[in-house]
Amino acid sequence: AQSVTQPDIHITVSEGASLELRCNYSYGATPYLFWYVQSPGQGLQLLLKYFSGDTLVQGIKGFEAEFKRSQSSFNLRKPSVHWSDAAEYFCAVGPFSGGYNKLIFGAGTRLAVHP
Amino acid sequence: DTGVSQDPRHKITKRGQNVTFRCDPISEHNRLYWYRQTLGQGPEFLTYFQNEAQLEKSRLLSDRFSAERPKGSFSTLEIQRTEQGDSAMYLCASSTSGLAGGHSYNEQFFGPGTRLTVL
Repeated sequence: AQSVTQPDIHITVSEGASLELRCNYSYGATPYLFWYVQSPGQGLQLLLKYFSGDTLVQGIKGFEAEFKRSQSSFNLRKPSVHWSDAAEYFCAVGPFSGGYNKLIFGAGTRLAVHP
Repeated sequence: DTGVSQDPRHKITKRGQNVTFRCDPISEHNRLYWYRQTLGQGPEFLTYFQNEAQLEKSRLLSDRFSAERPKGSFSTLEIQRTEQGDSAMYLCASSTSGLAGGHSYNEQFFGPGTRLTVL
């Protein structure tokens, strides 16, 4: 069955430090992969997506992610974290048969940023 | 483009009561999705509409849940005889359909959600 695993429930980093959030997926075909961010009281915002081609994708807010088929991973990175990056981050995979684009999300990683 | 809106933002109800939530998608979007997010979890797919047709329902959507999109615009999600286990954030998303950049995926834009608390 299709699934997404985010091994880290909470991560704390210092402002200015680099960040890597892990995501592993289980999917029977070439996946579409996504990272979303959710701030308190806000809806989910798409950070970046991977469909095909270059395995290193750039997103908004200085984030990037790398697709590694051999490891079934799609880790999110940022070279220098800002205090405003504190939020919850979700990795997701789709679409599925029928092409309805429903997404399967991981449980999320909550990021705290120390000044 | 005013984004996806949801109403109410918060709802507190007593067990056994019925509740209804509304979602207004982005105006030109013909696809609409409902997800449920419980504490400490990611969103889980509930159901999907293309225009007014409900094309897929998750097995998470028990008989107490019903969703409609009568004119292919706004959608409502009703929960009858609420249970404490229904307490969650209910998220709505919308998207266009067809090909975008050669791919069948069209970005889902999420609303802020309705947080339901069942006492």
